[in-house]
Amino acid sequence: EPEVTQTPSHQVTQMGQEVILRCVPISNHLYFYWYRQILGQKVEFLVSFYNNEISEKSEIFDDQFSVERPDGSNFTLKIRSTKLEDSAMYFCASRTLYNSPLHFGNGTRLTVT
Amino acid sequence: AQSVTQPDIHITVSEGASLELRCNYSYGATPYLFWYVQSPGQGLQLLLKYFSGDTLVQGIKGFEAEFKRSQSSFNLRKPSVHWSDAAEYFCAVGAGAAGNKLTFGGGTRVLVKP
Repeated sequence: EPEVTQTPSHQVTQMGQEVILRCVPISNHLYFYWYRQILGQKVEFLVSFYNNEISEKSEIFDDQFSVERPDGSNFTLKIRSTKLEDSAMYFCASRTLYNSPLHFGNGTRLTVT
Repeated sequence: AQSVTQPDIHITVSEGASLELRCNYSYGATPYLFWYVQSPGQGLQLLLKYFSGDTLVQGIKGFEAEFKRSQSSFNLRKPSVHWSDAAEYFCAVGAGAAGNKLTFGGGTRVLVKP
């Protein structure tokens, strides 16, 4: 069964550094998402992306965050200048059309020191 | 704004016993409801979904859930639990176009005793 893949599985970075989290959604999917889960807290929506543009973003998704689909397969989340509070598990998700459920990747655990 | 409450943080159940996980949601319109499971080190796997129609929905791994609009609930059940069902379970409600944006509950961690 096709799946969403995320790399790396774990990334450690220093505060103030830029990080790029990578995702390869399922190939025929059209809608792409990033969610995050801070340790001990709920999974939270960050951003949705469709037709090469952001369709919705949460208040968490400020100017430090950006998303890109640089080619036909990858979907990336960039954090420009990481803060300690960005430490979390980041999940990528994708889905096909209207009325289809989200498929999630295994996540990237980001640790900011 | 929508919200989801999972009242039980931990549940311990014996292998072979039945399991019910509670989920209550708050949403102004007809909700799209989901249950996801997360095993250690794994991503979120969809167990089942409710979009419309029959209020009792069947999912994978022998799970089912019942949508009760009057109680704003979407409880997950399994008649006989296996040791491999030990995991964290998340209920979610979808808002926007066909559940475009998910709001998750806090999760229920299920431990299975032999």
